[in-house]
Amino acid sequence: KAGVTQTPRYLIKTRGQQVTLSCSPISGHRSVSWYQQTPGQGLQFLFEYFSETQRNKGNFPGRFSGRQFSNSRSEMNVSTLELGDSALYLCASSPDRALYNEQFFGPGTRLTVL
Amino acid sequence: AQSVTQLGSHVSVSEGALVLLRCNYSSSVPPYLFWYVQYPNQGLQLLLKYTSAATLVKGINGFEAEFKKSETSFHLTKPSAHMSDAAEYFCAVTLGDDMRFGAGTRLTVKP
Repeated sequence: KAGVTQTPRYLIKTRGQQVTLSCSPISGHRSVSWYQQTPGQGLQFLFEYFSETQRNKGNFPGRFSGRQFSNSRSEMNVSTLELGDSALYLCASSPDRALYNEQFFGPGTRLTVL
Repeated sequence: AQSVTQLGSHVSVSEGALVLLRCNYSSSVPPYLFWYVQYPNQGLQLLLKYTSAATLVKGINGFEAEFKKSETSFHLTKPSAHMSDAAEYFCAVTLGDDMRFGAGTRLTVKP
């Protein structure tokens, strides 16, 4: 079974731009969660989608948004990029509720904001 | 409010020595607890999880963790370290609709 895939793996943007990251979960998994990982703040939960609905949301500004499609693939969008948005963005999938079950993580998208 | 604290951002052990990575949580009710490992340039991989079925949880790669309610701890151990155990380890706690990760502990294994 293929693992979680994230595209692109690396991305460079400038301040003020917007970016869209993509995540394909493991086949059959209905939950997709997104995390931001930075040296200073560590791993922080962004949000979880389950069956196309946002189920949980972390403490991030509205510039961070996401969606999930009927095939469970998910996208995360960040608008009006700031330097502090530079991070590794991890996507994880789970058969059911992410917060109570094993999550399978992708390799991440490394976003650099200049 | 709940939080999770990992004591020691860096731990160094010799190959064959005991590995002990510490995790404490703050919660008024028993949480769900997880240990994940992250190898360089990779995502996280679940080592083990506690869901109140048993206080001693055995995971992959010879790791185990013991839930101690009185100490609000969930420390990760492995009797004998291997070079391949060098990685970053994260403790995570779920309560309700929130999930928090510890700051991580980087484990170095010396030959």
